[in-house]
Amino acid sequence: AQSVTQPDIHITVSEGASLELRCNYSYGATPYLFWYVQSPGQGLQLLLKYFSGDTLVQGIKGFEAEFKRSQSSFNLRKPSVHWSDAAEYFCAVSGANNLFFGTGTRLTVIP
Amino acid sequence: NAGVTQTPKFQVLKTGQSMTLQCAQDMNHEYMSWYRQDPGMGLRLIHYSVGAGITDQGEVPNGYNVSRSTTEDFPLRLLSAAPSQTSVYFCASSYSGVRYGYTFGSGTRLTVV
Repeated sequence: AQSVTQPDIHITVSEGASLELRCNYSYGATPYLFWYVQSPGQGLQLLLKYFSGDTLVQGIKGFEAEFKRSQSSFNLRKPSVHWSDAAEYFCAVSGANNLFFGTGTRLTVIP
Repeated sequence: NAGVTQTPKFQVLKTGQSMTLQCAQDMNHEYMSWYRQDPGMGLRLIHYSVGAGITDQGEVPNGYNVSRSTTEDFPLRLLSAAPSQTSVYFCASSYSGVRYGYTFGSGTRLTVV
């Protein structure tokens, strides 16, 4: 069965520092993987997605993610965090008719 | 192009009351879904539809009904509200399948007292 684990519930980084959010998935076949961001009181916005091919995926707002099949991971990265990146981030894997979400990582950015 | 529109944004219900959460999309998307978001649990699928006239259950369907009479609309009905249904509800849609990612509405925050 599909599942997603985000091991970090809350991460705090300084503005300008680099960021890596971890995501591990469980899926029998080649996964379709996603990262979404949710600002307070808002819906979810798609940051990036992986289908196949190049394992380094570029997304919006300067984010990127790397698919590593051997580690069953799809970690999200950003080289320099901005205060506006403070939000909750969800990793998801696609099933046949469902997106299976992790429990989310809340990002706090300090000046 | 409004995307996915959910109404209302906030609602308070008494235990036992019924209500319908509305969801409409103007992108001609075939796939539509309802998720609920609870703290520490991520998002869980309630019901989904792969086209007009076709619906199916997700992970947590009990206490909810859906119908899909048109491509645009996918309402979620709470038959007899319970405090356990206090949650944030999100409607989402996709043109050609969940594997291409979903577009989400802004959510309905429901409190059942």
